[in-house]
Amino acid sequence: GAVVSQHPSWVICKSGTSVKIECRSLDFQATTMFWYRQFPKQSLMLMATSNEGSKATYEQGVEKDKFLINHASLTLSTLTVTSAHPEDSSFYICSAYSGTSTDTQYFGPGTRLTVL
Amino acid sequence: AQKITQTQPGMFVQEKEAVTLDCTYDTSDPSYGLFWYKQPSSGEMIFLIYQGSYDQQNATEGRYSLNFQKARKSANLVISASQLGDSAMYFCAMSTIQGAQKLVFGQGTRLTINP
Repeated sequence: GAVVSQHPSWVICKSGTSVKIECRSLDFQATTMFWYRQFPKQSLMLMATSNEGSKATYEQGVEKDKFLINHASLTLSTLTVTSAHPEDSSFYICSAYSGTSTDTQYFGPGTRLTVL
Repeated sequence: AQKITQTQPGMFVQEKEAVTLDCTYDTSDPSYGLFWYKQPSSGEMIFLIYQGSYDQQNATEGRYSLNFQKARKSANLVISASQLGDSAMYFCAMSTIQGAQKLVFGQGTRLTINP
């Protein structure tokens, strides 16, 4: 149980285009999902908290107009990188909060974005 | 503010030996959760083990155990009988109610198991 999928697993796009990444909880409902960014050989950096049916909460320094988050259902959250530039190239990984007593977050496999 | 510190950037261990990965934390919240995740080269974050701040006993999950010393604010991960497949990055993380369940991660430890 507690499986989270992410699509696509990797994407290459041209500078100026927008890219959408999907995060799905496959076998449980997730009222809260989180989006992280990870640079090579670094730790995960939380970008935003996504709550079903409400606006996402962004961490300080994260541009909400650039990283659009939608949590339309209890099993799906999307991250759209708008007008992507090479500096947006990174590993993006989502997690879903299972809502159990242990508060465990289960992670998707990640999406590697390369902007040319 | 919550903080996680992992002081070992890299660890090298012989196969079948036990290994301890260090993690210390800092928080003023009396209720918190401590987690360990494994990240192989594929990038996926794999949940290993959880310890609640009010849990009396150390958590165990198969070959993984968490050495929780509350007074010292440490939550070290112990892997017994290491295997080649254990080679990966390991992250310690903490969540608090005050932090709205958001995870704060340490910098990670790269574990390499030698045959």
